[in-house]
Amino acid sequence: EVQLVESGGGLVQPGRSLKLSCAASGFTFSNYYMAWVRQAPKKGLEWVATISTSGSRTYYPDSVKGRFTISRDNAKSSLYLQMNSLKSEDTATYYCARRSYAQNYFDYWGQGVMVTVSS
Amino acid sequence: DTVLTQSPALAVSPGERVSISCRASEGVNSYMHWYQQKPGQQPKLLIYKASNLASGVPARFSGSGSGTDFTLTIDPVEADDTATYFCQQSWNDPYTFGAGTKLELK
Repeated sequence: EVQLVESGGGLVQPGRSLKLSCAASGFTFSNYYMAWVRQAPKKGLEWVATISTSGSRTYYPDSVKGRFTISRDNAKSSLYLQMNSLKSEDTATYYCARRSYAQNYFDYWGQGVMVTVSS
Repeated sequence: DTVLTQSPALAVSPGERVSISCRASEGVNSYMHWYQQKPGQQPKLLIYKASNLASGVPARFSGSGSGTDFTLTIDPVEADDTATYFCQQSWNDPYTFGAGTKLELK
């Protein structure tokens, strides 16, 4: 069974940093692109970052480019999101998601972790 | 960015057929996908590439469309289908989601 378990969320002040983690199990982690998708309270979904199988390629929307960094450790079957210079508009539930093999949709999602950016 | 427009909410009775629409501001070929999100849960993939049923999803769910207009159909609707349904396109960069359609049962 595919499982994705996020951790590392919490309350952080504007301008500070936070690092999220996602522990994957139930599939060969190194074979799949992985992604982060967020959802602001009572709002829709926003794609945040994608990383290739080896980690050599990363992709971001303009809203987080230069502030967020996605990375992975295939030996640990783990995905990470380093978030710097956080803003109030980054407040959201962050989901770790598996990108379907060779396609750009997300076939499995974690339960999500809440990040609140507030002073 | 490609904007995906969905109706905010729909209310139907169990046993009925419901169609949920998603209109893209520019063409996305057939690269439209649908997710179901129940309250307090993570999204779940229902349909990929416009009309392909994801693994384990009941055949009551189906998808259609291409270009800019897409539809998710549930027939018949069951009480357990109460949820918000999101469309997502992956043809244009960046990937974008619709704001979601909240389905309520009468």
